[in-house]
Amino acid sequence: NAGVTQTPKFRILKIGQSMTLQCTQDMNHNYMYWYRQDPGMGLKLIYYSVGAGITDKGEVPNGYNVSRSTTEDFPLRLELAAPSQTSVYFCASSYGGSAETQYFGPGTRLLVL
Amino acid sequence: GDSVTQMEGPVTLSEEAFLTINCTYTATGYPSLFWYVQYPGEGLQLLLKATKADDKGSNKGFEATYRKETTSFHLEKGSVQVSDSAVYFCALIRGYGGATNKLIFGTGTLLAVQP
Repeated sequence: NAGVTQTPKFRILKIGQSMTLQCTQDMNHNYMYWYRQDPGMGLKLIYYSVGAGITDKGEVPNGYNVSRSTTEDFPLRLELAAPSQTSVYFCASSYGGSAETQYFGPGTRLLVL
Repeated sequence: GDSVTQMEGPVTLSEEAFLTINCTYTATGYPSLFWYVQYPGEGLQLLLKATKADDKGSNKGFEATYRKETTSFHLEKGSVQVSDSAVYFCALIRGYGGATNKLIFGTGTLLAVQP
């Protein structure tokens, strides 16, 4: 199993541009998550999904959108990039909620200039 | 709301030294508690977890005990190695209600082990 994969690894965007961060998992997990990690801070939950067709907001959803059309994929969309979205983005998945282990991808480093 | 507080780093130790990273939490009910580790340039990996009071999680020589009376989950290791250098995150998931799948993270503690 590849686990959780993310693309791209690194991207530079100009203010106002759009992009999609891709996330795929091959573990048949129901739950998927997007986090952002800012320097010196813990991870903050952006959006999550408990199954295909179901998504919900986390702590910091503003400026982002998600969709979950399949079990495997959970893309994160930035519509109008802003410097405040400069961060490292991690996708994660788990079989269930609660005490289930979340498995993280390697991250996407995004710089908005 | 729920929160996790962990000691600020960086923590710098010599190889074979004893490690403690403090973590305390605030949460309603009975959360599950986790330690995740992030090696340089990588995503987070689960290090250990505990799901109820007095449980001890352990892995790779690391241990942490779920102390409900002190709302703590301190991470310990008896003898650290250079390869343990990483950022360590304490986290919780609420045990009930609509947030049972949302990890709440502390800010992370950087551990640097010198040979």
